[in-house]
Amino acid sequence: GAVVSQHPSWVICKSGTSVKIECRSLDFQATTMFWYRQFPKQSLMLMATSNEGSKATYEQGVEKDKFLINHASLTLSTLTVTSAHPEDSSFYICSARNAGGHNQPQHFGDGTRLSIL
Amino acid sequence: SQQGEEDPQALSIQEGENATMNCSYKTSINNLQWYRQNSGRGLVHLILIRSNEREKHSGRLRVTLDTSKKSSSLLITASRAADTASYFCATDLGITPLVFGKGTRLSVIA
Repeated sequence: GAVVSQHPSWVICKSGTSVKIECRSLDFQATTMFWYRQFPKQSLMLMATSNEGSKATYEQGVEKDKFLINHASLTLSTLTVTSAHPEDSSFYICSARNAGGHNQPQHFGDGTRLSIL
Repeated sequence: SQQGEEDPQALSIQEGENATMNCSYKTSINNLQWYRQNSGRGLVHLILIRSNEREKHSGRLRVTLDTSKKSSSLLITASRAADTASYFCATDLGITPLVFGKGTRLSVIA
């Protein structure tokens, strides 16, 4: 089945550090990838839609300069949390949809738990 | 606001019992999908049911869709302790990203 690999799975770093999270589709091409944020015991909140070869589309309230997204190839999207602060601590999950069209499920990475000290 | 709303928010059952979770949504959809999330992990796709389908099965899972009531249900039969997880429904409107409900936390007690 389709696999999405997300790396790293866990990051602990000091306030002010920038952190890059990678999301790779391993066996399919993904023209679109999605980045979500999830707080404990809550649902997934869509942050942005990452489009291969073009700028990401950010949801209302998400700072694009804070959460930099790059989707340079059909199999890789990266999310960089710039100058991270404790309030950025969260569980970040990426997903990718096969470029095969509608009625396709999204495939999720295993998430990255980010802890900012 | 979120499109899908699961009910109940939490469900605790004994191993071997059936678990039923419901999802309601607000607008017309292309399809509805159910996902499972183990604690601290990503989401695993369970079943996709298209808007022109009414019922779908996959192993111990049974999903129904009633587009007139804008609702769906997920039934897990003969539950196991390993089924303990959060279950989310998500609606696919076609050109927009999936919209997830708040989820149902299922606990299966051995």
